[in-house]
Amino acid sequence: GESVGLHLPTLSVQEGDNSIINCAYSNSASDYFIWYKQESGKGPQFIIDIRSNMDKRQGQRVTVLLNKTVKHLSLQIAATQPGDSAVYFCAARHNFNKFYFGSGTKLNVKP
Amino acid sequence: KAGVTQTPRYLIKTRGQQVTLSCSPISGHRSVSWYQQTPGQGLQFLFEYFSETQRNKGNFPGRFSGRQFSNSRSEMNVSTLELGDSALYLCASSYGGRANEKLFFGSGTQLSVL
Repeated sequence: GESVGLHLPTLSVQEGDNSIINCAYSNSASDYFIWYKQESGKGPQFIIDIRSNMDKRQGQRVTVLLNKTVKHLSLQIAATQPGDSAVYFCAARHNFNKFYFGSGTKLNVKP
Repeated sequence: KAGVTQTPRYLIKTRGQQVTLSCSPISGHRSVSWYQQTPGQGLQFLFEYFSETQRNKGNFPGRFSGRQFSNSRSEMNVSTLELGDSALYLCASSYGGRANEKLFFGSGTQLSVL
């Protein structure tokens, strides 16, 4: 069946370094993708999204890259800060079908 | 603009009981989705309602049900609770009129089944 998976359950980075979180999706028809951040005790918070007609989108300190050929999505966080410590989820959707979420990557930022 | 509001925040029930969770979407949003989150399992989709109609459904047993009211508020019900139903239940809303809309999540209801 359709699925979304993350490559690493945990990622540890040094404060100030760049972080890269990866995600793979199975449905080649997926046309909308979102990255969410979830802090302990809170609901997921929107970070950035991208449509399938794009391969890159930038926000404040974050960049999402989409490679439709290999069905891969990545989130890059520049100059990672302690406040970036959280669990990061990617989600994929095709048309009005349900979103499929990955299992999450926990980002630990070491001071 | 107020965010997505879920009540109650915490709930403790015993096996066999039933429970009803409530979600008030962001004003103007007509789509409400429900997710179950357990440690290490990510977000498992339960169902989505749009304009009072169920638009999508996940792979959960019939003990899990939901509904949406004319003001877009939604409730989900779990009957005959099992220990494995202990989880964080998240509600998310969106306008619902376009496929490429982001979801806005509430803080969730933490359900513990004893």
